[in-house]
Amino acid sequence: ELKVEQNPLFLSMQEGKNYTIYCNYSTTSDRLYWYRQDPGKSLESLFVLLSNGAVKQEGRLMASLDTKARLSTLHITAAVHDLSATYFCAVEKNRDDKIIFGKGTRLHILP
Amino acid sequence: DTEVTQTPKHLVMGMTNKKSLKCEQHMGHRAMYWYKQKAKKPPELMFVYSYEKLSINESVPSRFSPECPNSSLLNLHLHALQPEDSALYLCASSQVGGSYEQYFGPGTRLTVT
Repeated sequence: ELKVEQNPLFLSMQEGKNYTIYCNYSTTSDRLYWYRQDPGKSLESLFVLLSNGAVKQEGRLMASLDTKARLSTLHITAAVHDLSATYFCAVEKNRDDKIIFGKGTRLHILP
Repeated sequence: DTEVTQTPKHLVMGMTNKKSLKCEQHMGHRAMYWYKQKAKKPPELMFVYSYEKLSINESVPSRFSPECPNSSLLNLHLHALQPEDSALYLCASSQVGGSYEQYFGPGTRLTVT
């Protein structure tokens, strides 16, 4: 059974600081997704990582995938308050359109 | 158009009521999904439709009945729900075959009284 673990589950940080969210998964996969969810809102797709070594960047966020370590990271550079949200990673195992979500990381950035 | 729409936005229903949630997309996606999300939890997959056929049912109770009338529409029929079914119900769509991001609708917040 595929399990997806994120850590930390909650992160409070100061504006301007850097930090990394980790996503570990239990079985072989080379398809990983990052989503953002604001309180009371739906999910917004951030990154699609489809191969070992994939790295994608958008603004202050950068995501990477290491399929051998079964690990993805979401790095936040010089955080700003607008990045406060819950971030989910999701892993696809069988290319059957089913993805398994991690528990999410609630990110709170203090102005 | 990269939008998935859902109606209604909010729904309050009694345990004996029958209601339906609707989802629509015009992105040409042939995979559509229903998720249930409780507060401070990740979305839980309920159903997947691929080419208008049910491909995944995550052992969802029969009081939830999905329907995909055509490639753009997805319904979720609700009957005899329980208070613990109160949640945010999210619809999503994507291209078929994995490796594609899912586009989520705004959700229907359901309260069962």
